[in-house]
Amino acid sequence: NAGVTQTPKFRILKIGQSMTLQCAQDMNHNYMYWYRQDPGMGLKLIYYSVGAGITDKGEVPNGYNVSRSTTEDFPLRLELAAPSQTSVYFCASTDRGRLVGSPLHFGNGTRLTVT
Amino acid sequence: QQQVKQSPQSLIVQKGGISIINCAYENTAFDYFPWYQQFPGKGPALLIAIRPDVSEKKEGRFTISFNKSAKQFSLHIMDSQPGDSATYFCAASISGGSNYKLTFGKGTLLTVNP
Repeated sequence: NAGVTQTPKFRILKIGQSMTLQCAQDMNHNYMYWYRQDPGMGLKLIYYSVGAGITDKGEVPNGYNVSRSTTEDFPLRLELAAPSQTSVYFCASTDRGRLVGSPLHFGNGTRLTVT
Repeated sequence: QQQVKQSPQSLIVQKGGISIINCAYENTAFDYFPWYQQFPGKGPALLIAIRPDVSEKKEGRFTISFNKSAKQFSLHIMDSQPGDSATYFCAASISGGSNYKLTFGKGTLLTVNP
């Protein structure tokens, strides 16, 4: 059982370039999330999805786009990379079938540098 | 607006000591309070969680203390070990509704010296 898989692990982009961060989960989870982690700033929610075809903005969505065409996949798109997007990106998922609280399962992250 | 405030930012403890990390929240609608542990190069992983209908939850050496009136909760690590050295995040969420998401604190870097 792979859990949440993120690719690539590392990437260096030039300012203005575009890329897609991939995220896939094999746990049949409804909910998926993208967070970014910056030193001393915790985890900030970028976008999330409550099911295939449904996405919504989080706390810091500017400069990013997402899509959710299947239950398994939730890619994050950066259209015009900026140095402010240098960060570690984490994808997470959870099963909202539980009644009380749902733990998030995280991938191991993508470390992105924009220069 | 930071809805979950975590302190301290970093903590150094000797092996065998007690590590204490504190969090405070503002939104009284929060009803689920998990703690996550993150090792370098890895994603956060659930460590322990509590609901506000109990004041304490213990799992092995890890204990969450919850004070609903003060809107505060804390993580206690007893007999701290070098293997506990990691970043710890508190979080909070509202269980009801369809837009389920966690709000995280800024994290505490714990170092346990041998």
